Amino acid sequence: QQQVKQSPQSLIVQKGGISIINCAYENTAFDYFPWYQQFPGKGPALLIAIRPDVSEKKEGRFTISFNKSAKQFSLHIMDSQPGDSATYFCAASNLPGGKLIFGQGTELSVKP
Amino acid sequence: NAGVTQTPKFQVLKTGQSMTLQCAQDMNHNSMYWYRQDPGMGLRLIYYSASEGTTDKGEVPNGYNVSRLNKREFSLRLESAAPSQTSVYFCASSDYLSETQYFGPGTRLLVL
Repeated sequence: QQQVKQSPQSLIVQKGGISIINCAYENTAFDYFPWYQQFPGKGPALLIAIRPDVSEKKEGRFTISFNKSAKQFSLHIMDSQPGDSATYFCAASNLPGGKLIFGQGTELSVKP
Repeated sequence: NAGVTQTPKFQVLKTGQSMTLQCAQDMNHNSMYWYRQDPGMGLRLIYYSASEGTTDKGEVPNGYNVSRLNKREFSLRLESAAPSQTSVYFCASSDYLSETQYFGPGTRLLVL
């Protein structure tokens, strides 16, 4: 199964709050899990990525948590800001050169 | 560096008309991709080219053709447009050994 399932479809968070987006996958051959961020009218851009040999990766306010046994990974945005309002996509692939399989996307709105 | 460029930005077609979406990258990447983005469906791969001279079908190739003109350029052709092809189309590129895909700004296509 190649699907990557993402939830929720939309999320509203107050400024300063924590945003959490979840993804689940089936293919145990996947070994690369990126998150892409897309602002309205723009193409997606890589935000942060993780390999399955670690359970967590943090870059600034953005953290990926990875649970290999559950085949799940999530994006946490700490101290969410209005500028974080965007659509977020999780994805998975097997490297090198594997095709990315994207989740359905989460539209995040951070209210001031 | 312009990165990944796409033309046109917006196009309206009538059912049955044909058109070619153009994509070029100036990062000397080996791999190039065409995706379509529809609400609630995420990014779905139409075709990809792992290297110059090769092309392969992705998840949703029906109704499309591609040409990898050279290392820089990868075009997507709709031979007979249908309303179901109304979407936002993104081109992306990556170095074969690199995980990161770089996306263009997208082409918004409306088929009436």
